[in-house]
Amino acid sequence: DAGVTQSPTHLIKTRGQQVTLRCSPKSGHDTVSWYQQALGQGPQFIFQYYEEEERQRGNFPDRFSGHQFPNYSSELNVNALLLGDSALYLCASSQRTGRSSYNEQFFGPGTRLTVL
Amino acid sequence: EDQVTQSPEALRLQEGESSSLNCSYTVSGLRGLFWYRQDPGKGPEFLFTLYSAGEEKEKERLKATLTKKESFLHITAPKPEDSATYLCAVYAGNNRKLIWGLGTSLAVNP
Repeated sequence: DAGVTQSPTHLIKTRGQQVTLRCSPKSGHDTVSWYQQALGQGPQFIFQYYEEEERQRGNFPDRFSGHQFPNYSSELNVNALLLGDSALYLCASSQRTGRSSYNEQFFGPGTRLTVL
Repeated sequence: EDQVTQSPEALRLQEGESSSLNCSYTVSGLRGLFWYRQDPGKGPEFLFTLYSAGEEKEKERLKATLTKKESFLHITAPKPEDSATYLCAVYAGNNRKLIWGLGTSLAVNP
């Protein structure tokens, strides 16, 4: 059983460019959350997708957008990149049950984004 | 305001020297507390979920406990391979938010 996979593993972009990161959830999971993690910090919640809709959003600007596909995989898009967007971007998947959208989350290995 | 605080920020132990990491929280409507382990440059690895005060869970050398105000991650006779950052996250059900601590960086010397 493949766990959560993310691509690419590393990415280098310049300011003002756009980037798309991809995530495939763990088998049987239907909910995908995206996080940004700066060095030495805890993960910062960007947004969560379920049933192809954004269900919750953290304090991130509209430059950060996402999408979830019918097979539950997801993309994170960041437009007009800033130097401060350099971070490890983590995807986490979970299975939504009842009213809880935060059952155990399983994380992918992350995508290391460097903005020059 | 929902808040999660982990202490200490960093901890250095000798192999075999048991200790505890703390995660204290003030959230509205606790619906779950999660412990993760994170190695440098990798995604967090799920360890435990605790739902109610008094609950305990164990896995190898790790034991997690929960009270109404805090959780402890006890590490018994640690080995160098236990070196990692340990993250705590709390789901505040009233605000439907998952609040993360900044983590405790653990180093175990052989």
